[in-house]
Amino acid sequence: DADVTQTPRNRITKTGKRIMLECSQTKGHDRMYWYRQDPGLGLRLIYYSFDVKDINKGEISDGYSVSRQAQAKFSLSLESAIPNQTALYFCATSVSGSSTDTQYFGPGTRLTVL
Amino acid sequence: GNSVTQMEGPVTLSEEAFLTINCTYTATGYPSLFWYVQYPGEGLQLLLKATKADDKGSNKGFEATYRKETTSFHLEKGSVQVSDSAVYFCALSEKPGGTSYGKLTFGQGTILTVHP
Repeated sequence: DADVTQTPRNRITKTGKRIMLECSQTKGHDRMYWYRQDPGLGLRLIYYSFDVKDINKGEISDGYSVSRQAQAKFSLSLESAIPNQTALYFCATSVSGSSTDTQYFGPGTRLTVL
Repeated sequence: GNSVTQMEGPVTLSEEAFLTINCTYTATGYPSLFWYVQYPGEGLQLLLKATKADDKGSNKGFEATYRKETTSFHLEKGSVQVSDSAVYFCALSEKPGGTSYGKLTFGQGTILTVHP
């Protein structure tokens, strides 16, 4: 079984709809991240959480919100989706105290906003 | 702020050719450096990493050396295979104590296609 899972894997929605993307992990890591991938731009950080009570904005948080329901679960919401939020979204985890901060990624959610 | 610049792609090679993907970075202090690979339809996987100057990371025939003097971490493989076709990302992370510790900064990715 995958250590980091994301649901749904694909989603098509319409402008103005509220969307939630979910991430779960069985790695026991305390840190979790949401990234967005756009062609030619690499991955950009949306939000990150270093533990259940610690949530921080990344470089492109506008239009997004998150919830850390438990150590193993981190959800990303688009309150009112717009077409330029069409992208591939990745969740990642890491463990605090690591000297190298290796992150482990889920398989991604492809979101299309019409 | 921190930044990572990768050579522009896409890169197309024949099987058994030599591969180099250039990566340079700008960062505070001496970050940890990573190469991640994304196979079609999958998430990113760590390919290799290096944590200090002159360290060489290696995995699956790929190598990269942490060059402090040129702020570079170029990815190389002596003989590529069709199965190496993927998107390759260079990334950095500050060490513990840095203001951006715990956050990866990625390059834009390089698409590699290997033909038989």
